[in-house]
Amino acid sequence: DIQMTQSPSSLSASVGDRVTITCRASQGISTYLAWFQQKPGKAPKPLMYAASVLQSGVPSKFSGSRSGTDFTLTISSLQPEDFATYYCQQYHSVPFTFGPGTRLDMK
Amino acid sequence: QVQLVESGGGVVQPGRALRLSCVASGFSFSDYGMHWVRQAPGEGLEWVTSVSHDGRNKFYADSVKGRLTISRDNPKNTLYLQMSNLRAEDTATYYCARDQANTGGYYPDSWGQGTLVTVSS
Repeated sequence: DIQMTQSPSSLSASVGDRVTITCRASQGISTYLAWFQQKPGKAPKPLMYAASVLQSGVPSKFSGSRSGTDFTLTISSLQPEDFATYYCQQYHSVPFTFGPGTRLDMK
Repeated sequence: QVQLVESGGGVVQPGRALRLSCVASGFSFSDYGMHWVRQAPGEGLEWVTSVSHDGRNKFYADSVKGRLTISRDNPKNTLYLQMSNLRAEDTATYYCARDQANTGGYYPDSWGQGTLVTVSS
């Protein structure tokens, strides 16, 4: 199975900050990587797929990149609605594993 | 717009069975693969199973293989998760999600609101 790790596990930031979350796959997954945002008590919201393609309706302040088996999600200019937990998921091969999540909260 | 509505959750004793349903609307259900993803209370997301658009290809996490079965009824626009021999570790909110493609092997691009299953005596 492909293992997904995320760093940091939690992050405190302020409105207006730029933050980066990293996701690492235990083996090559090409660009079969998605990002999700989840707020407490709500379903996950798809943000991005193919490592860097924004889901329809997601603002361009979210961006993604890949370097080998390392993937990053960057959020520029944080707004109050961006404070949430973020998950990556590989869909290269079954089982389609998620990372453990990164909790982003307000400083 | 895409809408996915899960139902069937509740409290069930260990070893018993339960069937979850997910009714889809706003898209051509028979053209898309579908997923079930679960989340234990206070924990992260766990992909459980997925199915191709025509129901022929099914994929499972090892943790549920042989106990949970995914199926679909395309004329009824409904996805199912038959759960048997339930264990305490199956306690979670179960989300139905649409696959980006018809294979059930891409990423879940639309999600329902979830239904909570609690396995407890």
